[in-house]
Amino acid sequence: QVQLQESGPGLVKPSQTLSLTCTVSGGSISSGTYSWSWIRQPAGKGLEWIGRIYTSGSTNYNPTLKSRVTISVDTSKNQFSLNLSSVTAADTAVYYCARDHGSGRLDYWGQGTLVTVSS
Amino acid sequence: SSELTQDPAVSVALGQTVRITCQGDRLRNYYPSWYQQKPGQAPVLVISGKNNRPSGIPDRFSGSSSGNTASLTITGAQAEDEADYYCNSRDSSGNYVFGTGTQVTVL
Repeated sequence: QVQLQESGPGLVKPSQTLSLTCTVSGGSISSGTYSWSWIRQPAGKGLEWIGRIYTSGSTNYNPTLKSRVTISVDTSKNQFSLNLSSVTAADTAVYYCARDHGSGRLDYWGQGTLVTVSS
Repeated sequence: SSELTQDPAVSVALGQTVRITCQGDRLRNYYPSWYQQKPGQAPVLVISGKNNRPSGIPDRFSGSSSGNTASLTITGAQAEDEADYYCNSRDSSGNYVFGTGTQVTVL
């Protein structure tokens, strides 16, 4: 059974960079033809796809966030990471990582981690 | 439009059928996936592709699509189906967008 777990600071100051890591267990991040996505959800609002990475290193990003987002992968640690720069209060949200089968099919999700942007 | 639009809320009597719709131009070319989210929990995939249910998802959940509109149908809704439901789909660049979400209340 594949499991994903997000980790990282729960509080980030405005203008700084939000950094989160997703650790995959129960299977190799490199196996299969999956990619690995990040999604976020502000309190009381809907889901927003941030971007994805393939284990080859290829990425796709939400056009609205593309200038601030970097997603990377470390196959030796079975992890992938999210960096979001120049954060503001609008970036406060629960951040989820998920396994991506393609065509919108996100079949395993982490439990989510709340990141608050505040001074 | 690149957006996916859903009705904000629907209600259904226990044991009855409810249809949740998702509208958007990208649905003309790509099937959506559907997710169920209960308060304080991560979303759970319930339908993907033409009408595929992951293991463990009850067969009362089904999906369909026509033109720019996709539907998730719950046939014989149960109390545990009360949740928010989101569609999502890709575009030609492989980018995803989620629908606006529908809150389902089981009466």
